[in-house]
Amino acid sequence: GQNIDQPTEMTATEGAIVQINCTYQTSGFNGLFWYQQHAGEAPTFLSYNVLDGLEEKGRFSSFLSRSKGYSYLLLKELQMKDSASYLCAGITGGGNKLTFGTGTQLKVEL
Amino acid sequence: KAGVTQTPRYLIKTRGQQVTLSCSPISGHRSVSWYQQTPGQGLQFLFEYFSETQRNKGNFPGRFSGRQFSNSRSEMNVSTLELGDSALYLCASSKLDGNTEAFFGQGTRLTVV
Repeated sequence: GQNIDQPTEMTATEGAIVQINCTYQTSGFNGLFWYQQHAGEAPTFLSYNVLDGLEEKGRFSSFLSRSKGYSYLLLKELQMKDSASYLCAGITGGGNKLTFGTGTQLKVEL
Repeated sequence: KAGVTQTPRYLIKTRGQQVTLSCSPISGHRSVSWYQQTPGQGLQFLFEYFSETQRNKGNFPGRFSGRQFSNSRSEMNVSTLELGDSALYLCASSKLDGNTEAFFGQGTRLTVV
């Protein structure tokens, strides 16, 4: 199976930049997703990387290095509403099966 | 367009009972996946259906089963409920086959007492 590791908790200040790291086993890996989940709500899609490099989307960017089994999510100009759990998920084999990390709970403080 | 709809939103069942959860994917989406989310284990994959066929299956006991209908709606069933089955069950739909964004429903919160 595929293990996906990410920090359990992070704290950052409003207006700052935070980087959430994710490492995974590379065997059979096809792509990596990042989702945001607010408490009591459904996960929502943030980004998808299948090739090495940086994908930028507004205040959110995601980076992937396939050879190193490493990804990160970069959040800029943090806002209080960014306080949420950020889930790293890998897709392997055929189909749409996602293997999730346990999520990083981000707390944005004043 | 309407998102992924899961019913019911909340459910309380007794140990030993069975339960059926329903998921209506986004119109045009043919892939439906089910996940179990608990505080200790996070999101864990249960199974995926594509065009009425189970395509992938996670590491859950046979008490967990599912099916997909011709209109892409899906149901999952859990028989002989255990206390440990208490969780948020999330359904996700995807439009294409593989490597596409999954849209999640609000989930069904199942409590087994």
